[in-house]
Amino acid sequence: DTAVSQTPKYLVTQMGNDKSIKCEQNLGHDTMYWYKQDSKKFLKIMFSYNNKELIINETVPNRFSPKSPDKAHLNLHINSLELGDSAVYFCASISGQDYNSPLHFGNGTRLTVT
Amino acid sequence: GQNIDQPTEMTATEGAIVQINCTYQTSGFNGLFWYQQHAGEAPTFLSYNVLDGLEEKGRFSSFLSRSKGYSYLLLKELQMKDSASYLCAVLDSNYQLIWGAGTKLIIKP
Repeated sequence: DTAVSQTPKYLVTQMGNDKSIKCEQNLGHDTMYWYKQDSKKFLKIMFSYNNKELIINETVPNRFSPKSPDKAHLNLHINSLELGDSAVYFCASISGQDYNSPLHFGNGTRLTVT
Repeated sequence: GQNIDQPTEMTATEGAIVQINCTYQTSGFNGLFWYQQHAGEAPTFLSYNVLDGLEEKGRFSSFLSRSKGYSYLLLKELQMKDSASYLCAVLDSNYQLIWGAGTKLIIKP
């Protein structure tokens, strides 16, 4: 199936731990994103990569570090997790830099920090 | 600052029609999207408007007025499966998506 897939779907961990979320798309898209959706349902962009190059880096704590080994993968590593990091994290992609085309989202990773 | 306003929650009856409004103030405009998001799932694309007017796609239609900074999503012949959140998002002058908080639509039998 052609899709954006991210793992894990659920992640429960304790404060202070380091964790990673992986994302892969087989749609042949060039641009990938990480979004955070908080309890109030706002979708906030965190990072955007185009062909492995970082093009958007919003005001995000430097505990969050994205890594794009190739244009089909965009992983998110989070150091020293805090309670406020609890949210749903969505990976998404679009074709090229055609920003008026729809975003294709992964199914989300629900991160709970205790 | 940039702002997208939508009602937090709406309730409608199965088989009826509902209109979900979205008003925006953004730095520039390069189009407006509507996405549907079922609870616990990813947002999925519904519509894109960049010119004024109504775009119809089956039971769903989306309207845009750029001069008024206003859009609405019209859902006809409501079905129980239409219970979801509906997210309005505007592409600003830098081609960044600005998202509303979404409208939770509850369909009652």
